[in-house]
Amino acid sequence: GAVVSQHPSWVICKSGTSVKIECRSLDFQATTMFWYRQFPKQSLMLMATSNEGSKATYEQGVEKDKFLINHASLTLSTLTVTSAHPEDSSFYICSAGTPYEQYFGPGTRLTVT
Amino acid sequence: RKEVEQDPGPFNVPEGATVAFNCTYSNSASQSFFWYRQDCRKEPKLLMSVYSSGNEDGRFTAQLNRASQYISLLIRDSKLSDSATYLCVVLLSGNTPLVFGKGTRLSVIA
Repeated sequence: GAVVSQHPSWVICKSGTSVKIECRSLDFQATTMFWYRQFPKQSLMLMATSNEGSKATYEQGVEKDKFLINHASLTLSTLTVTSAHPEDSSFYICSAGTPYEQYFGPGTRLTVT
Repeated sequence: RKEVEQDPGPFNVPEGATVAFNCTYSNSASQSFFWYRQDCRKEPKLLMSVYSSGNEDGRFTAQLNRASQYISLLIRDSKLSDSATYLCVVLLSGNTPLVFGKGTRLSVIA
């Protein structure tokens, strides 16, 4: 199957700082990428749909000014968590592909202290 | 009512056992259905799609009942390596994102 990478795989940052997470499709072009967040023992919750060359579409309850998404090319989308707080600590996962065949990145574990 | 509901488990079963997971979905217009597997601290991986006619892949059998809005996954001859969380996933249409259940945790014990 196709390969999606994420970087970094884990990050620890201090409260108030910003963290950027990269999601790359390594062997295919992704017009659309998805960003999810998963808290412990919870389901994956879609945060936003990232569209190449246009603004991301955010799910209800997700602050677009806090979670900045940029999809600059067909192989790269970035999620920046701005002014991170401890409650933002979570497992962030991106995915790409068609809805019927979606490939997930390995995830980024963010811990905000 | 949640869009996709699953029994969270955990299901603790001995090796070789047969175990079944169930899932219900709320939107009758949903078009496609999947089972994903997620290992601890890892990303989800597609296990199999689910078709109305039922489908089998080795030890795994998936069934869909559209009338009851119910999906099942049967695992026969459980292996230790089957220990994971199994996510029921529903797709409304090709233009909408996947909707995930919370998952059912399975532990296969030697």
